[in-house]
Amino acid sequence: AQSVSQHNHHVILSEAASLELGCNYSYGGTVNLFWYVQYPGQHLQLLLKYFSGDPLVKGIKGFEAEFIKSKFSFNLRKPSVQWSDTAEYFCAVKEGGGADGLTFGKGTHLIIQP
Amino acid sequence: GAVVSQHPSRVICKSGTSVKIECRSLDFQATTMFWYRQFPKQSLMLMATSNEGSKATYEQGVEKDKFLINHASLTLSTLTVTSAHPEDSSFYICSALSVAGGGTQYFGPGTRLLVL
Repeated sequence: AQSVSQHNHHVILSEAASLELGCNYSYGGTVNLFWYVQYPGQHLQLLLKYFSGDPLVKGIKGFEAEFIKSKFSFNLRKPSVQWSDTAEYFCAVKEGGGADGLTFGKGTHLIIQP
Repeated sequence: GAVVSQHPSRVICKSGTSVKIECRSLDFQATTMFWYRQFPKQSLMLMATSNEGSKATYEQGVEKDKFLINHASLTLSTLTVTSAHPEDSSFYICSALSVAGGGTQYFGPGTRLLVL
């Protein structure tokens, strides 16, 4: 079975600071990796995904993530955060190639102070 | 595009009653939908995979007779919580798999269930 670890449960940053949220997964086969964001009072939105190819993936709103297979990691980054990035961020994984449900990490609550 | 809706957004019911939650993909067809449950301050847990025209696949520990899933069309899946009890109170979220979207799951806004 897969599992996903997000090491930072709460992160507080000032505007313009750089962001990196950690995500590690445990599964030895081919994986599809996702980052979702949940703004206050809203539903989950896809930030970015990795299926194959270039391990550096660019998503919406200036976010990017890098898949490092040897480290089983898929960390999310943004060079300069904004107040509007305050949200809950979830990393998720599924076995590659199938129509399977996602295994989610516990989430990271990000607060950006103006 | 790729919008998923859920109805109702909130429901309060008495213990012992049944509650039906609808999940619709509004602008795409989804042969596969998923139901998740989210406890307060915790992550989403996959409950079951809903397949159009066939039986749902339940995750270990999820009672299939308690959580009835029907996926009668390519745009609608329903979750019925039967004989609800207070411990069933939770946030239920569905997602729909978009084949055209490269296998991405799009999530609904969730349904808050409170069983008294």
